[in-house]
Amino acid sequence: LAKTTQPISMDSYEGQEVNITCSHNNIATNDYITWYQQFPSQGPRFIIQGYKTKVTNEVASLFIPADRKSSTLSLPRVSLSDTAVYYCLVGQVDSSYKLIFGSGTRLLVRP
Amino acid sequence: GAVVSQHPSRVICKSGTSVKIECRSLDFQATTMFWYRQFPKQSLMLMATSNEGSKATYEQGVEKDKFLINHASLTLSTLTVTSAHPEDSSFYICSARDEILETGELETQYFGPGTRLLVL
Repeated sequence: LAKTTQPISMDSYEGQEVNITCSHNNIATNDYITWYQQFPSQGPRFIIQGYKTKVTNEVASLFIPADRKSSTLSLPRVSLSDTAVYYCLVGQVDSSYKLIFGSGTRLLVRP
Repeated sequence: GAVVSQHPSRVICKSGTSVKIECRSLDFQATTMFWYRQFPKQSLMLMATSNEGSKATYEQGVEKDKFLINHASLTLSTLTVTSAHPEDSSFYICSARDEILETGELETQYFGPGTRLLVL
């Protein structure tokens, strides 16, 4: 299973764009990247996932370079409610499909 | 996205008793569900993979006789913490795979809201 590395914490201000980068140097061909958001005492919430290039949905964008050894979650114009822990995970499209959580990034959005 | 529920949301029990936690996929079927445990200020730790109709697969260091998992249907998995002790107090979270994919889609794993267990 590919290991992921993220910054432990990040600070931002309301209205700014936040980019959280995740390293996954040993990502395999069958692996894809998924990002989750977790608030205290809640289960993780799915944000976005992708295999390569760029993926965008209504809440975020995910940028994956050609070598796929890293990925960047982009949150446009964050608000105070975006303060949470963000996890980058690499999962395999096979029968096991286990997701192993790293330490995540604690994002603090200030007024 | 798909919805996964857990019941109860929080439970308090006495040491030595057993507690059952239910995990349901509400709008999709899941042959595979997962159970995680999370201690305060820490990340989620995978405990086991629950397979419908077969035995669960436990991660290294997780006692299968203490954490009994039953996946009796395509929408329900249960985790029973047997003979609970204060050190079992934690936040237990389940997840389920949405395995029905449209062309080009990737499988997504959805998480329940979690169950807070406090053992006195």
